[in-house]
Amino acid sequence: DTAVSQTPKYLVTQMGNDKSIKCEQNLGHDTMYWYKQDSKKFLKIMFSYNNKELIINETVPNRFSPKSPDKAHLNLHINSLELGDSAVYFCASSSRSRGETQYFGPGTRLLVL
Amino acid sequence: RKEVEQDPGPFNVPEGATVAFNCTYSNSASQSFFWYRQDCRKEPKLLMSVYSSGNEDGRFTAQLNRASQYISLLIRDSKLSDSATYLCVVNVAGNQFYFGTGTSLTVIP
Repeated sequence: DTAVSQTPKYLVTQMGNDKSIKCEQNLGHDTMYWYKQDSKKFLKIMFSYNNKELIINETVPNRFSPKSPDKAHLNLHINSLELGDSAVYFCASSSRSRGETQYFGPGTRLLVL
Repeated sequence: RKEVEQDPGPFNVPEGATVAFNCTYSNSASQSFFWYRQDCRKEPKLLMSVYSSGNEDGRFTAQLNRASQYISLLIRDSKLSDSATYLCVVNVAGNQFYFGTGTSLTVIP
């Protein structure tokens, strides 16, 4: 059983489009995250979210917005895609009561043309 | 200044060698520490948590020095399958996680 899943695995799109990436975890965790890993392999947190608070990395453009329909899902919506948005986006989840270990999804490889 | 800094390497070592990675963090309020492993084109996976007293898991030993604000990972008897990027991760508080840029390791036959 996949613990953290993301769809799609690959996403190729044109500049200016709006796209969403979905994430689901079946671990019963209370916190979910979105990370961006750029071409230099640096992994940077974009958002963390539980049912009480959303923490946004201040460097993330407001074209990016997380949407959580329930505790098991945290989707990432991106408006007006730009070339620089090309990267691998990882979803992760963790539980404060279980030592904060993060479990990552397989990643979504986004290419903006 | 970055929250977490690592030597990116690459480290190229022969099978059976011992290799050590270091990582420094800037926030003295950091609460928990981890080493993750990331294989090429894969997601990061937890290798081990790092405890104040140091901890060992098979061939892997992690150490934490709070006074100097650094974390280390020692790999003994390197295997080909250890080839990966090793990420140092620091949790400052609650949901705030910071990743190092990773250290690339290649174990050579």
